[in-house]
Amino acid sequence: DTEVTQTPKHLVMGMTNKKSLKCEQHMGHRAMYWYKQKAKKPPELMFVYSYEKLSINESVPSRFSPECPNSSLLNLHLHALQPEDSALYLCASSQRLMDLAKNIQYFGAGTRLSVL
Amino acid sequence: GDSVTQMEGPVTLSEEAFLTINCTYTATGYPSLFWYVQYPGEGLQLLLKATKADDKGSNKGFEATYRKETTSFHLEKGSVQVSDSAVYFCALIGNNNDMRFGAGTRLTVKP
Repeated sequence: DTEVTQTPKHLVMGMTNKKSLKCEQHMGHRAMYWYKQKAKKPPELMFVYSYEKLSINESVPSRFSPECPNSSLLNLHLHALQPEDSALYLCASSQRLMDLAKNIQYFGAGTRLSVL
Repeated sequence: GDSVTQMEGPVTLSEEAFLTINCTYTATGYPSLFWYVQYPGEGLQLLLKATKADDKGSNKGFEATYRKETTSFHLEKGSVQVSDSAVYFCALIGNNNDMRFGAGTRLTVKP
């Protein structure tokens, strides 16, 4: 099983709303990632968690707030977003962050977010 | 820093044609190399990988060989199908454990 599950698949929100994206994996992976993908572009790394601790924050605005409540779950809390934040948000996981051979990333299907 | 360069698309082929998508990389040390595929409206799926020089990754008829002398990892398939229409991303993970993606190449296969 190499499945990473993301919910919801689609989300429409206003600029004053608060919403959350969820990601779940049951592969025993201890590294989890959030990426943002704009249309016709490659994914851009936002955050990396390793053993439930934030390891990398790629200078993402504070209106995006990640959370890793346990080793299987990763959330992305959204507040006061802008229309330019509309994108496909992808979650990924890998066995271990600091081990190149075990760092193959498996992606979820993504949440397509539209900010009005 | 580490980077990946892919051939620009879009690429349009007829069914059963031969496919090559070029990928070259810049990295210090010995990165791991990957091809991911993204079908319309979906996330990324790992297509194949190679973790050391001269390794050949293969899956679903696709192949790519890790060539350190030319810093390349070109994707090939002998006979494409309509169902192969997708965007293909070359990627690497280097010594800093960050994944770097190429820009992506859109492939359209016509019947």
